[in-house]
Amino acid sequence: GAGVSQSPSNKVTEKGKDVELRCDPISGHTALYWYRQRLGQGLEFLIYFQGNSAPDKSGLPSDRFSAERTGESVSTLTIQRTQQEDSAVYLCASSLLSGQGHYEQYFGPGTRLTVT
Amino acid sequence: GENVEQHPSTLSVQEGDSAVIKCTYSDSASNYFPWYKQELEKGPQLIIDIRSNVGEKKDQRIAVTLNKTAKHFSLHITETQPEDSAVYFCAAPIFSGGYNKLIFGAGTRLAVHP
Repeated sequence: GAGVSQSPSNKVTEKGKDVELRCDPISGHTALYWYRQRLGQGLEFLIYFQGNSAPDKSGLPSDRFSAERTGESVSTLTIQRTQQEDSAVYLCASSLLSGQGHYEQYFGPGTRLTVT
Repeated sequence: GENVEQHPSTLSVQEGDSAVIKCTYSDSASNYFPWYKQELEKGPQLIIDIRSNVGEKKDQRIAVTLNKTAKHFSLHITETQPEDSAVYFCAAPIFSGGYNKLIFGAGTRLAVHP
């Protein structure tokens, strides 16, 4: 079946512009995660959505970052007034219900954001 | 909160040799330890995981060992092949806000030379 898809695959933007990144999770996956991966570094948790529950936004680095998800479908990550330090690969992952269990996270291919 | 440390950051081996990557974690309540492989220009993919009720798990050429007392777990790849070249991430969960969030290590870049 179809995996997690993300768009665009690459985005180059000028400093100060807003960008919107999209994630289509696997159908039926109620949990959705966004991560940031700077060049040569690990995965930095940004935000988590679980069904209709309030999202865990504890990883968002500043108020320029926001994300939305409607129900169990598409999610968008928005970065306002982009800065050069926002340049990174933004990864989305989805999984079955999280809760107290542990389920495999399926990652998309990421969006490579370059802020010039 | 959970802190996951991963070593080494880079590892270079000859084809056919074994590779070992080690991780330590801080939260003694953690009970699930996955390993992800990230190939170039792709998202990470789960390759093996272990739960705290076992000490070792094998899947063909890869194995993971867990020492809960010492709070460390390791990935072992035997008979390495060039296609094993990738970045490997370990992770451990922290239960927060009613769900399990994975905390990832910084990654190990493995290069297997023919």
